Amino acid sequence: DVKVTQSSRYLVKRTGEKVFLECVQDMDHENMFWYRQDPGLGLRLIYFSYDVKMKEKGDIPEGYSVSREKKERFSLILESASTNQTSMYLCASSFDGWAEGKVNEKLFFGSGTQLSVL
Amino acid sequence: AQKITQTQPGMFVQEKEAVTLDCTYDTSDQSYGLFWYKQPSSGEMIFLIYQGSYDEQNATEGRYSLNFQKARKSANLVISASQLGDSAMYFCAMREDLYNQGGKLIFGQGTELSVKP
Repeated sequence: DVKVTQSSRYLVKRTGEKVFLECVQDMDHENMFWYRQDPGLGLRLIYFSYDVKMKEKGDIPEGYSVSREKKERFSLILESASTNQTSMYLCASSFDGWAEGKVNEKLFFGSGTQLSVL
Repeated sequence: AQKITQTQPGMFVQEKEAVTLDCTYDTSDQSYGLFWYKQPSSGEMIFLIYQGSYDEQNATEGRYSLNFQKARKSANLVISASQLGDSAMYFCAMREDLYNQGGKLIFGQGTELSVKP
């Protein structure tokens, strides 16, 4: 079974703490994504990566950074956590078939990390 | 500007009836793809259906079909013969610049569907 694993299901942190959210996929996917999900706002893209050491900003990158040192791992970093970063964080990965004309590749999602910043 | 708009925060449908979930999108790209995902209360994200901008026929997958109207920039999901298990949040998503590396997938706000027995 294909798998995207997020390191924590629930996380509680204090304002100002540095927070690391880890995501690992075992499908050799090129693309990896971090979204946050909030009621009424849907899923909003924070960052994505289409290759090792490559990263692209999504729609809401402020207050976040990412790291992709290995193909299977994509980390989201909250440099100084704030209460407005309390949210559900979803990691996803996909095969990037653009070079082969396969453009309908679906995302595989992790089970999410519910982060509370107090 | 919102690239994907789902204007129905919540919808109800009677079991066994059909329901249409609306999705409009905004892009100037010629090559793009549209996706629908389902998120039950368990939280997992389930891929339902895909439509490419160059596809001439509307996509279908079992009870799911996509009513693609390119000129109107709409990609509505139609669920036929609703079942209780269809109760979930539904998200429309779009990938632009389809034939280049590293396209990002942008989601809409979601529509919560409730199927009544």
